[in-house]
Amino acid sequence: GAVVSQHPSWVICKSGTSVKIECRSLDFQATTMFWYRQFPKQSLMLMATSNEGSKATYEQGVEKDKFLINHASLTLSTLTVTSAHPEDSSFYICSPLSIEQFFGPGTRLTVL
Amino acid sequence: TQLLEQSPQFLSIQEGENLTVYCNSSSVFSSLQWYRQEPGEGPVLLVTVVTGGEVKKLKRLTFQFGDARKDSSLHITAAQPGDTGLYLCAGAASGTYKYIFGTGTRLKVLA
Repeated sequence: GAVVSQHPSWVICKSGTSVKIECRSLDFQATTMFWYRQFPKQSLMLMATSNEGSKATYEQGVEKDKFLINHASLTLSTLTVTSAHPEDSSFYICSPLSIEQFFGPGTRLTVL
Repeated sequence: TQLLEQSPQFLSIQEGENLTVYCNSSSVFSSLQWYRQEPGEGPVLLVTVVTGGEVKKLKRLTFQFGDARKDSSLHITAAQPGDTGLYLCAGAASGTYKYIFGTGTRLKVLA
């Protein structure tokens, strides 16, 4: 199956800073990437869908100016959490569109 | 908005017991998937069901898709400690590859 990596695997930052999370599809050309957020002991919530070379589409309630998504190539999609606040602390997971859905290992963000 | 409710939310059982997890919605899904997730990791796909009434077996796990494609169940026979984890169902509406996740069932199997 597809191999997906995320970097960093965990990050701690101060409130007000921006954090970039990279999602790489190592053996698969991902024209579409799904970004999810998972709060502790909760399920996954779809945040946005990114398409290579075009703007991402965001789910209702997700601020597009706060969660910047870039999908510049078929193997790389990035999510930047801008001006992070403690309530943005979460587990962020990417998943490329494929017949069988695969997920990255996730990035745990902690905002102090 | 499509909602997928899972029950129970939490389940703690002894090794060797059987259990069933339910995934219910008022919406119709073209396909439904089940995942298991361990702490600090991404979900791992267990099965995909696409036909109403479909039953799939994966060793001690039996998955069923409801006839109306609005619900699904996961049955585990003779649970083992290695089955411990968060079980998630996820459904996709017709014409979309966007999966909406259920509320999750946290299973703990005690040795």
